[in-house]
Amino acid sequence: EADIYQTPRYLVIGTGKKITLECSQTMGHDKMYWYQQDPGMELHLIHYSYGVNSTEKGDLSSESTVSRIRTEHFPLTLESARPSHTSQYLCASSEDIGSGHTIYFGEGSWLTVV
Amino acid sequence: AQSVAQPEDQVNVAEGNPLTVKCTYSVSGNPYLFWYVQYPNRGLQFLLKYITGDNLVKGSYGFEAEFNKSQTSFHLKKPSALVSDSALYFCAVRPDTGRRALTFGSGTRLQVQP
Repeated sequence: EADIYQTPRYLVIGTGKKITLECSQTMGHDKMYWYQQDPGMELHLIHYSYGVNSTEKGDLSSESTVSRIRTEHFPLTLESARPSHTSQYLCASSEDIGSGHTIYFGEGSWLTVV
Repeated sequence: AQSVAQPEDQVNVAEGNPLTVKCTYSVSGNPYLFWYVQYPNRGLQFLLKYITGDNLVKGSYGFEAEFNKSQTSFHLKKPSALVSDSALYFCAVRPDTGRRALTFGSGTRLQVQP
């Protein structure tokens, strides 16, 4: 079982609010990812990081931003939430050795913007 | 760019019968292939992967998958389905070089009837 934690699990907020979704992993993985998933649908990569101070945008355009100041921490921020941001956000991490390229996922953060 | 196709939105099977969930992929270079399972309101759980070596890969909970390079397929199989196997299954791929993030298929819902 992977040691990757996301908080909050569920969040309901009003339009225009700033939110940060937290993601932490204790495996020492250098690579981390954020995926967005609508209920029962496919996952879309929105951000990834290969290490501290390294972040890239993914395949799906997103108004969110990320930072990677510490290896274990990869928070995602929305400066001004909108109803279109309502979705599940999944954080993940991996390494090329040890676990052999496997990407491990957290339990997800369900965001509802009203 | 890589892609994954899961041609069946849903697969229905009776408990005790064998099951197959189909996956085909497209990627430049050698593929790294993965299967994940998702239960309601949860993150993704890793089932199995193909990196190199034997084309038949065995994973968690009695699942296995066969890598077929000529058909670019990586179908998930289980000899005897359980009701508790009912969930959403995702196939994913990444190339052996370059970006580490996975590209996911659209998912297949497996329904095992008692």
